[in-house]
Amino acid sequence: GAVVSQHPSRVICKSGTSVKIECRSLDFQATTMFWYRQFPKQSLMLMATSNEGSKATYEQGVEKDKFLINHASLTLSTLTVTSAHPEDSSFYICSARDRGRSNTEAFFGQGTRLTVV
Amino acid sequence: AQSVTQLGSHVSVSEGALVLLRCNYSSSVPPYLFWYVQYPNQGLQLLLKYTTGATLVKGINGFEAEFKKSETSFHLTKPSAHMSDAAEYFCAVSGPGNDMRFGAGTRLTVKP
Repeated sequence: GAVVSQHPSRVICKSGTSVKIECRSLDFQATTMFWYRQFPKQSLMLMATSNEGSKATYEQGVEKDKFLINHASLTLSTLTVTSAHPEDSSFYICSARDRGRSNTEAFFGQGTRLTVV
Repeated sequence: AQSVTQLGSHVSVSEGALVLLRCNYSSSVPPYLFWYVQYPNQGLQLLLKYTTGATLVKGINGFEAEFKKSETSFHLTKPSAHMSDAAEYFCAVSGPGNDMRFGAGTRLTVKP
């Protein structure tokens, strides 16, 4: 149980286009999902916290107009990188908390490797 | 605010040797502490976690960690390293219901 599926696993897009990444909790309901960004050989940096049915909370320095987050249901959150540029190339990882369990652990997706050319 | 510091960005051990990865935390509330492992181009896999109760926590693949409040530490150990243990390891902290904050990571190399 507690599987988080992230799609796509890899995407290459042209500069100026937008890319949508999906994060799904397959066997549990997630009221809260988190989006992280990871640069090569670096740690995960929290970008935003996504709450079902409300606006996401962004970390300082993260452009909310560039990284659009939608958490429309208890099992799906999406991150859209708008007008992507090469500097947006990174590894994006989502995680989700199971609202049915004690709130101690988040489950992670497999990550999405975004390359902007 | 909560944070973790992982001492040593790179640790190298011989196969069969003790693995020790260090993590110190800072938290204004009783912390929940986690160790995750990440293989290249993959997400994170939970090794073990401490929430409450017994301070020595056993996880998967023979790993364990001990929560020491007096030292604000949560070091990860494994008695005998295996080649398959080579990966990136992340220590993380959260408070109840809060988001998770990660350390910078420690790359473990296992020499044959």
